Amino acid sequence: DTGVSQNPRHKITKRGQNVTFRCDPISEHNRLYWYRQTLGQGPEFLTYFQNEAQLEKSRLLSDRFSAERPKGSFSTLEIQRTEQGDSAMYLCASSSTGLAYEQYFGPGTRLTVT
Amino acid sequence: AQSVTQPDIHITVSEGASLELRCNYSYGATPYLFWYVQSPGQGLQLLLKYFSGDTLVQGIKGFEAEFKRSQSSFNLRKPSVHWSDAAEYFCAVGSNDYKLSFGAGTTVTVRA
Repeated sequence: DTGVSQNPRHKITKRGQNVTFRCDPISEHNRLYWYRQTLGQGPEFLTYFQNEAQLEKSRLLSDRFSAERPKGSFSTLEIQRTEQGDSAMYLCASSSTGLAYEQYFGPGTRLTVT
Repeated sequence: AQSVTQPDIHITVSEGASLELRCNYSYGATPYLFWYVQSPGQGLQLLLKYFSGDTLVQGIKGFEAEFKRSQSSFNLRKPSVHWSDAAEYFCAVGSNDYKLSFGAGTTVTVRA
């Protein structure tokens, strides 16, 4: 399978704990995006990378959130001091530069903060 | 800033009947428009896209959508629905910096 993969698929954590999610994009894609989807809503843009450079961060991405893509391949999204409001599905997508609008999504990581 | 409205939260349709999902967008420039489908436990799958040219675009799984600039709409249609089309459908608009802004989605239920 050469699609976008995300791990873990589900994460349950207690409030105040730190969590980290991983996204592996399609191998030839140099753009990588993170979105967040809450119940009953469409995905909301969080941040995106062109290779290893993080080019934009949404105002939704508070200081507790950090994303990296150290070698321009996989990416991690870390949430520090989780809050119940962080409970959501975190989606990763990737695209090539030439077809930047054709974003391929992974299955997501569902985070539940108790 | 761009935005998308999907007026219908939930639609129920009989198998074999036609389906139309509404999407209205707000964007100052020429929009790039998309429809995605999300099945339970699955990621978002791109059904079709509109960038320019012919305003009627064909997608996968027998879906089509029509761009109407005068109405700021990009409605999705399928002539004959199959039970496997039960899912959540999202309309999205792309901005110049390649971010996608999604609507809240329409859940489609297919009854036998």
